Amino acid sequence: SAVISQKPSRDICQRGTSLTIQCQVDSQVTMMFWYRQQPGQSLTLIATANQGSEATYESGFVIDKFPISRPNLTFSTLTVSNMSPEDSSIYLCSAVTDYGYTFGSGTRLTVV
Amino acid sequence: GESVGLHLPTLSVQEGDNSIINCAYSNSASDYFIWYKQESGKGPQFIIDIRSNMDKRQGQRVTVLLNKTVKHLSLQIAATQPGDSAVYFCAENRRGSTLGRLYFGRGTQLTVWP
Repeated sequence: SAVISQKPSRDICQRGTSLTIQCQVDSQVTMMFWYRQQPGQSLTLIATANQGSEATYESGFVIDKFPISRPNLTFSTLTVSNMSPEDSSIYLCSAVTDYGYTFGSGTRLTVV
Repeated sequence: GESVGLHLPTLSVQEGDNSIINCAYSNSASDYFIWYKQESGKGPQFIIDIRSNMDKRQGQRVTVLLNKTVKHLSLQIAATQPGDSAVYFCAENRRGSTLGRLYFGRGTQLTVWP
């Protein structure tokens, strides 16, 4: 099955700082997706990342807070900027691979 | 607004019993559905999917039923095992939306007692 790797798997960060999360797919994919999962909640889409163009953000999410890069067809990064405790969540990347709609294992972020 | 929702947030079953997890959706453009299992500290893991032109699909110990008339989806797990304990999400893709963009339901916490 397709593998999506995320780094870091978890982090504890100070408020006001930024964290960049990396997502690597073991095959080329057109679209990559970034989701947020707040504690005890379901997954909410942050943005869709298409290689070669700016990411498309969902309502309630803005580029200044969650800048995304998509430099090639296998890699993307999500930055959580100027963090506050409310940003404490699991962040997940996803892609449609030859094996279907696949997710990474997530990055568990705690902001203190 | 329109959403994919779940009827029950928690479900507890005895090992060996069958489990049924339900999901309601409201968007008539939904044409593809997936059930995911998420264990603590892990990302969602694909279990089974079904397209809107089907009403039933079976996998290993799992069956998904789709009732488009009432916009209802269910996941049946046969002979539930302790390793099935996890949160289960239904997710949908909608006609006209970006391929790969999924809309998730709330999730059901399944606990299997030995």
